[in-house]
Amino acid sequence: NAGVTQTPKFQVLKTGQSMTLQCAQDMNHNSMYWYRQDPGMGLRLIYYSASEGTTDKGEVPNGYNVSRLNKREFSLRLESAAPSQTSVYFCASSEGDWGTEAFFGQGTRLTVV
Amino acid sequence: AQSVSQHNHHVILSEAASLELGCNYSYGGTVNLFWYVQYPGQHLQLLLKYFSGDPLVKGIKGFEAEFIKSKFSFNLRKPSVQWSDTAEYFCAGYSGTYKYIFGTGTRLKVLA
Repeated sequence: NAGVTQTPKFQVLKTGQSMTLQCAQDMNHNSMYWYRQDPGMGLRLIYYSASEGTTDKGEVPNGYNVSRLNKREFSLRLESAAPSQTSVYFCASSEGDWGTEAFFGQGTRLTVV
Repeated sequence: AQSVSQHNHHVILSEAASLELGCNYSYGGTVNLFWYVQYPGQHLQLLLKYFSGDPLVKGIKGFEAEFIKSKFSFNLRKPSVQWSDTAEYFCAGYSGTYKYIFGTGTRLKVLA
């Protein structure tokens, strides 16, 4: 009963390096999300995927790309990391409909130096 | 909800005190609201949700929230907090376009 699984849990990058955050859910949810959490700013939506085969920008998409690989997996890529991308990243999934909640992964703490 | 705001950023209470955390949302037609809790170092977990029906919603761990349409509010309450309630609390709304909109969070510290 894993729910939403994110890897890695921690990562340190140098400015300009690239990396991909992986996310998988086993609840057969249609919609998946990537949020970043910064102190005092709550959770801000980076990208989301309403259903398999679709992706859309959220509130703060600049510097990120995503891939909905299949119904289970939704990855977030940083092509050229910047210190401003130091944050905690959460993946979430949901049925994507009224009355349904989002389920969250454990988070990835990313530091860009 | 098109936007969600939380006005209490930090709250400090003693054990057994009553808790009320404010949440306001902007009108967006159908209303679907949530409260999540994040314990230190952990992910967000659902406390309770409102979509329709009884505006007084009861959740886990003794929390409840009341949806007041006239005030655009969905405040979280607990009659008697415990040290283990120390956490960050987020109010959120579903926008109807597959997106969940979160408030900025309230950090609650309960003193033993």
